[in-house]
Amino acid sequence: AQKVTQAQTEISVVEKEDVTLDCVYETRDTTYYLFWYKQPPSGELVFLIRRNSFDEQNEISGRYSWNFQKSTSSFNFTITASQVVDSAVYFCAYGGNNAGNMLTFGGGTRLMVKP
Amino acid sequence: AAGVIQSPRHLIKEKRETATLKCYPIPRHDTVYWYQQGPGQDPQFLISFYEKMQSDKGSIPDRFSAQQFSDYHSELNMSSLELGDSALYFCASSPRFGMAYEQYFGPGTRLTVT
Repeated sequence: AQKVTQAQTEISVVEKEDVTLDCVYETRDTTYYLFWYKQPPSGELVFLIRRNSFDEQNEISGRYSWNFQKSTSSFNFTITASQVVDSAVYFCAYGGNNAGNMLTFGGGTRLMVKP
Repeated sequence: AAGVIQSPRHLIKEKRETATLKCYPIPRHDTVYWYQQGPGQDPQFLISFYEKMQSDKGSIPDRFSAQQFSDYHSELNMSSLELGDSALYFCASSPRFGMAYEQYFGPGTRLTVT
């Protein structure tokens, strides 16, 4: 069965620091997708990125960047120059073609950015 | 751009009552997913529909049922509510069936069972 692990349950940083959120997954699927979602205090789930298993190219979007390494089954998320508005719970999620079409979420990492 | 609409946003029920949660997907999305997120937990998949047919089923209690209607909106019916059903219920929609497509989440319905 697929499994997503976010070992960091809580991270606290000071504004402008860089922070990396770790995500490790387990699967036997050959084709799969990895996602990151942000859940601010208001509760909604905000889609950040989707990656398929054949695309290991790192991606940068503004202050956000993602590092996908299939060899270590990791899909880490880095926020550069963090801001207070980045404070939220971040979920890494897995979707596999052989696992139905549901998302399997990691336990989430609560990021607190202090001014 | 239009987003997924969920109603109601908040719902308070007593034990053993019933509740109906509604989800209106983004226009032209034919796939709907339901997830349950308990306090301090990650979202757990309940059930999904594609073209009005159930496609996958997760850890959904027998007391819950769901369907997708001809206009693609979906309803999650919950009976004999228990305290443990208190959670945030998310609906997500997707333009097609399959992992290659993003799931766009609605704002959630917060259900409190007292």
